[in-house]
Amino acid sequence: AQTVTQSQPEMSVQEAETVTLSCTYDTSESNYYLFWYKQPPSRQMILVIRQEAYKQQNATENRFSVNFQKAAKSFSLKISDSQLGDTAMYFCAFMPQGGSEKLVFGKGTKLTVNP
Amino acid sequence: NAGVTQTPKFQVLKTGQSMTLQCAQDMNHNSMYWYRQDPGMGLRLIYYSASEGTTDKGEVPNGYNVSRLNKREFSLRLESAAPSQTSVYFCASKGQRREGLYEQYFGPGTRLTVT
Repeated sequence: AQTVTQSQPEMSVQEAETVTLSCTYDTSESNYYLFWYKQPPSRQMILVIRQEAYKQQNATENRFSVNFQKAAKSFSLKISDSQLGDTAMYFCAFMPQGGSEKLVFGKGTKLTVNP
Repeated sequence: NAGVTQTPKFQVLKTGQSMTLQCAQDMNHNSMYWYRQDPGMGLRLIYYSASEGTTDKGEVPNGYNVSRLNKREFSLRLESAAPSQTSVYFCASKGQRREGLYEQYFGPGTRLTVT
């Protein structure tokens, strides 16, 4: 069974600074996807960034980037130039490729961006 | 294109009452999922449906039933609600953003309180 661990229950950062959220996972699968979801107070689950495990290049979406270390089973999220609107819960998630492709979520990191 | 819709948005039930949470997607996706989100627990899979006419248990299925009515709709039923089922419920469907890359799209959630 797959597990996803987010070791930082809460983090805070000053506006315009950079913050990194940690995520590790455990799996015996060789083909899979990794995701970071953002959940603001509105409760909506918003996909921030995705990574395909077969790709060595780290994914980037504007101010969001990941550091994907497949051998270490690590998938951290870096947010650059933090904005007040980045305040939210962030969930790391794993999805095996093929079959039912069920998502397995970590418990989340609550990020607060301070003015 | 509404994506994934859920009704109702909020519901309060008394212990022992029954209700059905509705979910529909207009993206022609085969796979649909029901998750629950509890404080500090992240999202956990209740049931999923890989295609019309099939359903299967996830991590926390006890106390729930599901129906995949057609390709668009996937409902979650609580036959006899219990306080332990107080949670936020999310429906999701899985689609292909581009060839070989799948992701799940989430509805806005239903906040259920059982007293």
